[in-house]
Amino acid sequence: KAGVTQTPRYLIKTRGQQVTLSCSPISGHRSVSWYQQTPGQGLQFLFEYFSETQRNKGNFPGRFSGRQFSNSRSEMNVSTLELGDSALYLCASSYGGGFGRGTEQFFGPGTRLTVL
Amino acid sequence: DQQVKQNSPSLSVQEGRISILNCDYTNSMFDYFLWYKKYPAEGPTFLISISSIKDKNEDGRFTVFLNKSAKHLSLHIVPSQPGDSAVYFCAASAGSPGGSYIPTFGRGTSLIVHP
Repeated sequence: KAGVTQTPRYLIKTRGQQVTLSCSPISGHRSVSWYQQTPGQGLQFLFEYFSETQRNKGNFPGRFSGRQFSNSRSEMNVSTLELGDSALYLCASSYGGGFGRGTEQFFGPGTRLTVL
Repeated sequence: DQQVKQNSPSLSVQEGRISILNCDYTNSMFDYFLWYKKYPAEGPTFLISISSIKDKNEDGRFTVFLNKSAKHLSLHIVPSQPGDSAVYFCAASAGSPGGSYIPTFGRGTSLIVHP
């Protein structure tokens, strides 16, 4: 079974631009979560999508948005990029949604975004 | 306000010895705890978990201990192997109205196991 894939793996943008990141979950998984990892803050939860609906949202500004398609693939968009958005963006999928409790999340390798 | 804290950014251990990684939390609503391991250029991989109804969970060389009164958990790796060298994240969750469990991660501890 193929793992979680994320594209692109690396991205360089300039301040003010927008960016779209893509995540393909493991086949059969319906939940996709997004995380931001920075050296100073560790992993921070952005949002979770389940069956094309945003089910949970972390504490990030509205510039961060996402969506999920009928095939469970998900995209994350960041508008009006700021220097502080430079980070590793991780996507994780699970079958039934949730975190742990028997519904283990599988992470992709991440997209490294650099904002200049 | 950090609800999950891993106060040691790094830990160095000799191969064959025990590695102990610590994690403290402040939110008494957390009832499920996990450890993830992350190698460079890869996403985190699930290692072991523990529910708040238990105080110990073991899986091979990995054991997680939970002390609810102290709001503290630890991951023991015995014996440590060079391949265990990675960043270890502690994470905690509590039930949410939406039915899933939004995780809170610590900042990670980098473990180096020397041959």
